[in-house]
Amino acid sequence: GIQVEQSPPDLILQEGANSTLRCNFSDSVNNLQWFHQNPWGQLINLFYIPSGTKQNGRLSATTVATERYSLLYISSSQTTDSGVYFCAVEQGGANNLFFGTGTRLTVIP
Amino acid sequence: DSGVTQTPKHLITATGQRVTLRCSPRSGDLSVYWYQQSLDQGLQFLIQYYNGEERAKGNILERFSAQQFPDLHSELNLSSLELGDSALYFCASSIGTNTEAFFGQGTRLTVV
Repeated sequence: GIQVEQSPPDLILQEGANSTLRCNFSDSVNNLQWFHQNPWGQLINLFYIPSGTKQNGRLSATTVATERYSLLYISSSQTTDSGVYFCAVEQGGANNLFFGTGTRLTVIP
Repeated sequence: DSGVTQTPKHLITATGQRVTLRCSPRSGDLSVYWYQQSLDQGLQFLIQYYNGEERAKGNILERFSAQQFPDLHSELNLSSLELGDSALYFCASSIGTNTEAFFGQGTRLTVV
């Protein structure tokens, strides 16, 4: 099956710092989503981005489908950004999202 | 708020028991997915329904079953519960395949 690797596994930032999270996948995909799981366990949609670049406030994402990777940029981080960030992909005909193991982000004041 | 509603939020039950988790998808979404998140296994896909029909199966145990009803809500039934079934169970919905999926708040199941 498809492999989804996220890096780094853990990241600690000072409030106000910028960061880049990476997601590599081993095969072509039709769907790629980024999620933030907050400390209460909620999975919050960040981006639906099978290809291209999108921005939403302090967050932006880029997926280069031909090279099988996606990047999530967080600028001017805040303590509320803490949690686990998941990349999830869907292959054609698979009918489900396959999740990476996540990046645990801790933002300290 | 994602628009996907899961009940109950928390459930504590004893080994050997049976529970039912309920999910109401976003308005207009025909696909419903169930996922299990445990500490050692991460987020694992269990099963998917589209407009009442089972479309895909993942790592779902034989003790677990699901269905999607004509009004598109879905239920996940877990029986003969074991300690290892303790996990966060998520429901997600989407319009169809290869479209954006939205997740409910999850049901935290604790088996004692």
